[in-house]
Amino acid sequence: SQQGEEDPQALSIQEGENATMNCSYKTSINNLQWYRQNSGRGLVHLILIRSNEREKHSGRLRVTLDTSKKSSSLLITASRAADTASYFCATARLTGNQFYFGTGTSLTVIP
Amino acid sequence: GAVVSQHPSWVICKSGTSVKIECRSLDFQATTMFWYRQFPKQSLMLMATSNEGSKATYEQGVEKDKFLINHASLTLSTLTVTSAHPEDSSFYICSARLSTGNTEAFFGQGTRLTVV
Repeated sequence: SQQGEEDPQALSIQEGENATMNCSYKTSINNLQWYRQNSGRGLVHLILIRSNEREKHSGRLRVTLDTSKKSSSLLITASRAADTASYFCATARLTGNQFYFGTGTSLTVIP
Repeated sequence: GAVVSQHPSWVICKSGTSVKIECRSLDFQATTMFWYRQFPKQSLMLMATSNEGSKATYEQGVEKDKFLINHASLTLSTLTVTSAHPEDSSFYICSARLSTGNTEAFFGQGTRLTVV
């Protein structure tokens, strides 16, 4: 990808379990954001974490950021079948206005 | 959140023809818009950054003459795929940010282009 990798590439879990996705990036960033994409559709913004933040919560979502390791994680707690989608991290670099995406994680939540 | 509208949602065209995709910010002014391309089951690849009133900035490997970008106003950017070929078939998504720095990006619904 232009910016980094996500793992796992695919994740399948039972409803009610927690899902954790990891994102690594290459350059110094201004902020990191997580997006969700249902098959063949546009992207929905989930959460933004700034470079000076380490952890952020939003509902069932918990995001961490480790700038020293250039990595972030997205935790979805108590997953639901409706959470089935692809999840992408995206980074805004320190210089320039560009916005680059990781490779994505395909999450399947089995009812 | 802010709304970005992309049109058309899908288009089928013949090889050799050109296709224009519009991206509009409906309730905010976007000095900068971005165009992405996404192949099936892959990530979004940034193609170019569209700046209002100036030339677009293309990512390495993206043909400027192939993918023409025009950002004539603060609410409209267009991507024209010229002389389309089947390998140009893809999902094209635009996005816009309210400002630089610590802000989220808002995305259009995407355009599914199929070149036959």
